[in-house]
Amino acid sequence: DTEVTQTPKHLVMGMTNKKSLKCEQHMGHRAMYWYKQKAKKPPELMFVYSYEKLSINESVPSRFSPECPNSSLLNLHLHALQPEDSALYLCASSQDTFYQPQHFGDGTRLSIL
Amino acid sequence: AQSVTQLGSHVSVSEGALVLLRCNYSSSVPPYLFWYVQYPNQGLQLLLKYTSAATLVKGINGFEAEFKKSETSFHLTKPSAHMSDAAEYFCAVSDLGGTSYGKLTFGQGTILTVHP
Repeated sequence: DTEVTQTPKHLVMGMTNKKSLKCEQHMGHRAMYWYKQKAKKPPELMFVYSYEKLSINESVPSRFSPECPNSSLLNLHLHALQPEDSALYLCASSQDTFYQPQHFGDGTRLSIL
Repeated sequence: AQSVTQLGSHVSVSEGALVLLRCNYSSSVPPYLFWYVQYPNQGLQLLLKYTSAATLVKGINGFEAEFKKSETSFHLTKPSAHMSDAAEYFCAVSDLGGTSYGKLTFGQGTILTVHP
C-alpha cells in the first residue's frame, strides 16, 4: 500500500480547462514534491515544498501552479496546458529535505487533448 | 553538481540468475545514494539507500548494493532473479547543499527483463 495518495489516477482535459491534482500523506513528512515523468524517462523535479513553503521551483511554466494548504496536502493547479504536458505526474514526500528518502505516490496520468 | 550514470538501458536475465544493475555517480562530496524501482503504471518504490553508515546496503526484495568510493559506483545486485523483479530501476543521488538541497538527480533508468 502506498502511503502517498494521489487523485485522480487518470485525467483527460482540454487545453482551455482548469483542473487540479491532489496529493496527501499522513506520515508526518515536512517536505513534499511534484515530479513530471514522460514515458521511458526518469522523473523530472518540478516543485519542492519544505515546511509548507515553496523552496524549489525548477523554472516550471506558470500554467502549473502548486499549492500546499497544510503539511499533509499538496495540490497542483493546471490551466491552459499544452499537449506536451501529457505525462505521469508524481507526488512524493520525505521527512525533510536533508538526505531523506522520498516516498512516491502512484501518480496521475494526465492527457491533454 | 551531482550526476548519475546507469550503464545499460536494458538488462535481460533468466529466472534464478544473478541480477547486476550498474550505477556510477559523480560528486565532489560523499554522496547520499538511492535505488528505486518502478513497476508499470505505478510510482517509484524505494529499494535501498546509502547514507555513509555502511558500504554494503541491504534493501527490500532481496536486493543489495555496494558503495565503492574508489570506483564511484553503487551497483545493485540480487543473487537470484524472480519474474516479479521485472521493472524499471532508477539510481539517484541527493543534492547536498546550496538552494537545491534535497533534490534528487536520477539516472536514465534500466529496464530489467526476466525470462522464464
